[in-house]
Amino acid sequence: GDSVTQMEGPVTLSEEAFLTINCTYTATGYPSLFWYVQYPGEGLQLLLKATKADDKGSNKGFEATYRKETTSFHLEKGSVQVSDSAVYFCALLPRGAQKLVFGQGTRLTINP
Amino acid sequence: EPEVTQTPSHQVTQMGQEVILRCVPISNHLYFYWYRQILGQKVEFLVSFYNNEISEKSEIFDDQFSVERPDGSNFTLKIRSTKLEDSAMYFCASSEAGGGETQYFGPGTRLLVL
Repeated sequence: GDSVTQMEGPVTLSEEAFLTINCTYTATGYPSLFWYVQYPGEGLQLLLKATKADDKGSNKGFEATYRKETTSFHLEKGSVQVSDSAVYFCALLPRGAQKLVFGQGTRLTINP
Repeated sequence: EPEVTQTPSHQVTQMGQEVILRCVPISNHLYFYWYRQILGQKVEFLVSFYNNEISEKSEIFDDQFSVERPDGSNFTLKIRSTKLEDSAMYFCASSEAGGGETQYFGPGTRLLVL
């Protein structure tokens, strides 16, 4: 079945460091791919998405590129801030389906 | 910006009691969803709802669970007889359309069954 595998956390970085959170997926067909973020005490917020191969989603300095050949959707940010501390979830939505499939989440902590 | 809202934010109940979790989806959205996240585990799909009926449900969504849109704005999840293992964060979501459209999530209800 469809599945998402994320980089194990927790991840701790210093402010202004470069961030990569790896995400790979298994799916039939061509799913849409998403990154959601959960800040402390809050719900899931859509961070970015990509709906087809080679699309790049971007928001708030974060980027992820839909790579069909490697079935990946890695999240990157060039210079993280303390306010980026949160749990990040990679997810896929199979084409024509309604059920989001989530990865296990990666907790990111940014130290000043 | 429109958002999904959920009430209550926290609920504590005794095993065997019924609970109703409430959600107000984004007003022009037509598809509604419930997910849950048991502490330390993945976010799991429970059910999707469109045009006043369930369109898809997971194996978790057994006869103890039901969903309803009692009026034009609310969407509820009822657990008839709660078990300890129902303790989780429950998220409501909505989307403008189905089939690959972005789902927008509420802040969640943390349910604790004692």
